[in-house]
Amino acid sequence: EPEVTQTPSHQVTQMGQEVILRCVPISNHLYFYWYRQILGQKVEFLVSFYNNEISEKSEIFDDQFSVERPDGSNFTLKIRSTKLEDSAMYFCASKPELSNNEQFFGPGTRLTVL
Amino acid sequence: AQRVTQPEKLLSVFKGAPVELKCNYSYSGSPELFWYVQYSRQRLQLLLRHISRESIKGFTADLNKGETSFHLKKPFAQEEDSAMYYCALIRRGNYGGSQGNLIFGKGTKLSVKP
Repeated sequence: EPEVTQTPSHQVTQMGQEVILRCVPISNHLYFYWYRQILGQKVEFLVSFYNNEISEKSEIFDDQFSVERPDGSNFTLKIRSTKLEDSAMYFCASKPELSNNEQFFGPGTRLTVL
Repeated sequence: AQRVTQPEKLLSVFKGAPVELKCNYSYSGSPELFWYVQYSRQRLQLLLRHISRESIKGFTADLNKGETSFHLKKPFAQEEDSAMYYCALIRRGNYGGSQGNLIFGKGTKLSVKP
């Protein structure tokens, strides 16, 4: 069964550095999402993406964040200058079509900012 | 404000006992409700959704619009049910579909003891 994949599984970086988190959504899916979960807190929405543009973003998704779908398969989240508070688990999700609201999640990338 | 509340952080039961994981929501509109489950070291995966009205792995959940609740129930818990359970909602569009994001509760850790 096809699955969403994410790389790396764990990323450690220094404060102020740029990081790129990578996701490969399920191949025929059209809607893409990033969520994050700070340790001990709830899963929070960051951004949704459809038809090569951002559909919606939360207030967490400030100018330090960007998303891209550089080719037909990858969906990336870039954090330009990481802060300590960006340490979290980042989940990518996708769904096939508008009418089906089930989102399929990747295994997550644990980002640790030192 | 849109909000999902799971009042119990941890629920511990013995094998064979009934289990109920509580979920209340606050949303002005017509949401679709979900239960996602995350087994140890695995990804978030959909357990069930209110529109399908089905039982998965013995779990059921009924949407109670009057009480704005979507509690998850199972009559006889099994050890393999031990996991994190997240209640979530999504804003439904005009025809049921949505580009929108999932709004999650904080999750309840279910521990089923032998």
